[in-house]
Amino acid sequence: SQTIHQWPATLVQPVGSPLSLECTVEGTSNPNLYWYRQAAGRGLQLLFYSVGIGQISSEVPQNLSASRPQDRQFILSSKKLLLSDSGFYLCAWTKGGYEQYFGPGTRLTVT
Amino acid sequence: GDSVTQMEGPVTLSEEAFLTINCTYTATGYPSLFWYVQYPGEGLQLLLKATKADDKGSNKGFEATYRKETTSFHLEKGSVQVSDSAVYFCALSDPSSSGSARQLTFGSGTQLTVLP
Repeated sequence: SQTIHQWPATLVQPVGSPLSLECTVEGTSNPNLYWYRQAAGRGLQLLFYSVGIGQISSEVPQNLSASRPQDRQFILSSKKLLLSDSGFYLCAWTKGGYEQYFGPGTRLTVT
Repeated sequence: GDSVTQMEGPVTLSEEAFLTINCTYTATGYPSLFWYVQYPGEGLQLLLKATKADDKGSNKGFEATYRKETTSFHLEKGSVQVSDSAVYFCALSDPSSSGSARQLTFGSGTQLTVLP
């Protein structure tokens, strides 16, 4: 069966510091991968998606970037965090069908 | 473009009450429809899905029917429990607009609280 992992689970970072969040999927190959952000009490915002290694599509302009160095690895990065980057970051995958399967999330607080 | 409109929350019910959360959609093609549930501090879990008109998705006592004529996918449960307290998201994926990206369009979410 397939499993999706995210780490770290929680992170507290100062403004201006770098960021790296990691997502990995087990039990499948060549999935579509997605990064979402969920601000407190708000809905989901799609940030990036990838349909293959090295292929990244950005949905919103911001100081975040994404990379997919391996088939089942998806990384979300920033060179300098802003207060507005605080939120709950979710990674998801899909393959074959149209339903997406979500990871447990990373809670990021920028101070 | 595609959009999903969900019933405004929060919704507060007593245990064993009947639940309905309304969801309507706009899509250019023939979308697949989904309900996701998010418990506090966790990621989203797929609750149920329907891929074509008149399909009924069901899971854990929850049901939703894909109504093309009313462009709706309302979530129902006959008798809610305290453990059903969570945020519920309606979503669609429209192949004609998302292509190989298979993006989901989400509603804003509905907070459900069930009191004992």
